[in-house]
Amino acid sequence: SQTIHQWPATLVQPVGSPLSLECTVEGTSNPNLYWYRQAAGRGLQLLFYSVGIGQISSEVPQNLSASRPQDRQFILSSKKLLLSDSGFYLCAWSRGGHSNTEAFFGQGTRLTVV
Amino acid sequence: QQQVKQSPQSLIVQKGGIPIINCAYENTAFDYFPWYQQFPGKGPALLIAIRPDVSEKKEGRFTISFNKSAKQFSLHIMDSQPGDSATYFCAASRGGADGLTFGKGTHLIIQP
Repeated sequence: SQTIHQWPATLVQPVGSPLSLECTVEGTSNPNLYWYRQAAGRGLQLLFYSVGIGQISSEVPQNLSASRPQDRQFILSSKKLLLSDSGFYLCAWSRGGHSNTEAFFGQGTRLTVV
Repeated sequence: QQQVKQSPQSLIVQKGGIPIINCAYENTAFDYFPWYQQFPGKGPALLIAIRPDVSEKKEGRFTISFNKSAKQFSLHIMDSQPGDSATYFCAASRGGADGLTFGKGTHLIIQP
């Protein structure tokens, strides 16, 4: 069965510090991978998605970047965090090579920038 | 631009009642409509999903009704239980791998 791991679960970082959140998927090959951010009362906003190694698409301009160094690894990064980067970050995957299949989410990382 | 509008923002229902959550979309290219359930501090979990070639889909106590001409879809929870208390999100996507567009969520409370 497929599983998705996301860490850390919570993170408190000072303004201006770097960020690295990691997500890995097990039990599948060539998944589509996604990073979402959830802010209170605003639903989930798609930040990045990737259909393969090194292929990253960005949905919104922001202070964040994403990378996919391996097939089942997706990393969310920032060189210098802003207060507005605080939120609940969620990684998700869906089956690669298929349109509109189910997306499965990790347990999220609660990031607080202070 | 909010492409998926969800209502109500919050909902309180007595146990055994039928909460109904509504969503409306604008983009006619959307062709996949899932619903997610989220408990505090957890990631969303897929509940049920529908494609526009059917008007209704039922899985257990959860039913999606879909009205393509009105560009609306709704979630019904039959025989609701306190354990159903959670935040529910509707979503939509187009063909391809470019992710989901979510509604803002409905905070549902089922009172015993």
